[in-house]
Amino acid sequence: DQQVKQNSPSLSVQEGRISILNCDYTNSMFDYFLWYKKYPAEGPTFLISISSIKDKNEDGRFTVFLNKSAKHLSLHIVPSQPGDSAVYFCAATMNRDDKIIFGKGTRLHILP
Amino acid sequence: DAGITQSPRHKVTETGTPVTLRCHQTENHRYMYWYRQDPGHGLRLIHYSYGVKDTDQGEVSDGYSVSRSKTEDFLLTLESATSSQTSVYFCAISERTGGDTEAFFGQGTRLTVV
Repeated sequence: DQQVKQNSPSLSVQEGRISILNCDYTNSMFDYFLWYKKYPAEGPTFLISISSIKDKNEDGRFTVFLNKSAKHLSLHIVPSQPGDSAVYFCAATMNRDDKIIFGKGTRLHILP
Repeated sequence: DAGITQSPRHKVTETGTPVTLRCHQTENHRYMYWYRQDPGHGLRLIHYSYGVKDTDQGEVSDGYSVSRSKTEDFLLTLESATSSQTSVYFCAISERTGGDTEAFFGQGTRLTVV
């Protein structure tokens, strides 16, 4: 049973436009969420995170929004750049249980 | 870059043979994780550790065992490798600071079971 779901396997966005990657979760005990970016043949790298006590966190071009009632979070990248082409993973964890559970990932293609 | 080293980086082994992958960290982080990445499945947690000799199962732990005798090392063992264990394996480390957590990943180990 998948606890963290990324239902879009891939997404194509024009360079300069906004990229929106979505993530849903089923376990209401999750209290911390993370986004990772992965290039081929490399390990995932941390992008941005958000605690369940917040509904928004921003870091440069990256903003994560959390809607706890809908158990949904999204990553916004604006403006999108060619180097943003990668696989993006959503992850969740809870304070009482130190597992970090990942979604299946969304492959983002930034089109010139 | 976080100090995480995975070894070996690539390995080809035969079905039925034992295989051990090593993850070494120099960050003194408490938590260590082993994930496997497969097409269509993303990153799936195999086992994790929350301290020396403290480990727990993840989502796909069958066929795998782990050991952590020192803070810096987390070993993943396939007792009898099968073709379904062909995958890319990632080690990660994390530490909780003030309620925040952030996992850092190694470069990965590509394992092929023939």
